[in-house]
Amino acid sequence: EPEVTQTPSHQVTQMGQEVILRCVPISNHLYFYWYRQILGQKVEFLVSFYNNEISEKSEIFDDQFSVERPDGSNFTLKIRSTKLEDSAMYFCASSEQGLLNTEAFFGQGTRLTVV
Amino acid sequence: DQQVKQNSPSLSVQEGRISILNCDYTNSMFDYFLWYKKYPAEGPTFLISISSIKDKNEDGRFTVFLNKSAKHLSLHIVPSQPGDSAVYFCAARGGQNFVFGPGTRLSVLP
Repeated sequence: EPEVTQTPSHQVTQMGQEVILRCVPISNHLYFYWYRQILGQKVEFLVSFYNNEISEKSEIFDDQFSVERPDGSNFTLKIRSTKLEDSAMYFCASSEQGLLNTEAFFGQGTRLTVV
Repeated sequence: DQQVKQNSPSLSVQEGRISILNCDYTNSMFDYFLWYKKYPAEGPTFLISISSIKDKNEDGRFTVFLNKSAKHLSLHIVPSQPGDSAVYFCAARGGQNFVFGPGTRLSVLP
């Protein structure tokens, strides 16, 4: 069964450092998303991406964040200068394009710990 | 600004009985609703969805009901099994993203 894969599963980084979280969406999907969940809080939308550009982003997704689809398979989230409050589980998701509404499939997540 | 609310943070149910998880939303522009299940240290797993043009969708033990006038949906699991113990998130589709509720932790007791 196709699945969304994320690497690494756990990333520890020093405050102020740049991190790149990687995702391989399901191959025939065209919409990609990043969500995060701070420990004990709800899952929050960060950004959606379609046709090589951001289609929507939340207030959380400020200038420190960027996304890229560098090739035909990977979808990355970069945090330029990490802050302690960026510590969270980051989930990548993808969904099919179509006239019918479809669900999003999530990866297992990357736990980011900023120290 | 809680557009999607799940007012019960936790729920305990006896194995074999029905679990009813509730979700309320405020944005009438939401047109598609989903339920996800999440185990610790894993990503959310899609369970079942419903379009705003329907009021019920059923898939095996899972049924989702939508009451548009009340802006309320519920997930029924029957019969409940211990493996159903997880956090359940209601999500609503608005534009190109999904807005998640805070989740309800379901514990199914053997």
